[in-house]
Amino acid sequence: GQSLEQPSEVTAVEGAIVQINCTYQTSGFYGLSWYQQHDGGAPTFLSYNALDGLEETGRFSSFLSRSDSYGYLLLQELQMKDSASYFCAVTNYGQNFVFGPGTRLSVLP
Amino acid sequence: EAQVTQNPRYLITVTGKKLTVTCSQNMNHEYMSWYRQDPGLGLRQIYYSMNVEVTDKGDVPEGYKVSRKEKRNFPLILESPSPNQTSLYFCASTSGSHPYEQYFGPGTRLTVT
Repeated sequence: GQSLEQPSEVTAVEGAIVQINCTYQTSGFYGLSWYQQHDGGAPTFLSYNALDGLEETGRFSSFLSRSDSYGYLLLQELQMKDSASYFCAVTNYGQNFVFGPGTRLSVLP
Repeated sequence: EAQVTQNPRYLITVTGKKLTVTCSQNMNHEYMSWYRQDPGLGLRQIYYSMNVEVTDKGDVPEGYKVSRKEKRNFPLILESPSPNQTSLYFCASTSGSHPYEQYFGPGTRLTVT
């Protein structure tokens, strides 16, 4: 079967750094994406990795290791507005996306 | 403004009464998808479309139909809704030049009693 695993919850304080891990087991793999979703809102795209290594976009970075079927999202200089759910998603083939169950991040003052 | 729109945003219906949720995008995106979101399960893809008149099943297509007669529209049809289809539904679109970056609509909360 296909599955992605993420921690269900993570808590950190403002200004800290937090890492959200994602491991995957899918029948195909083109790349790993990350999405943010605030309560009551729609998911919004954060980053994408097709190749091994680190991609940096401002305070957010994403890492992929295809050999380990593993990736992570790194959030630096945490702000209160970063409190949200974060989803990893594998592009399986074509436009078939498989999402993880999500990690709820709580940022404390 | 570039956006994906869905209608209705909220819907309460009864078992067996056919319904359609519309989705439209104004970004000229080639690809479109439908997802359902349930607590603890993340988003699960129902159907996707890579072109007009081209649709494919996602991971949970049972009980749903879609059509793509125009590039901008991708309606989701529930011909005989059941209570287990109570969920939050999202439509998404993606450009061919960035096929991994999905733009999501605001969501449709469906309750089937």
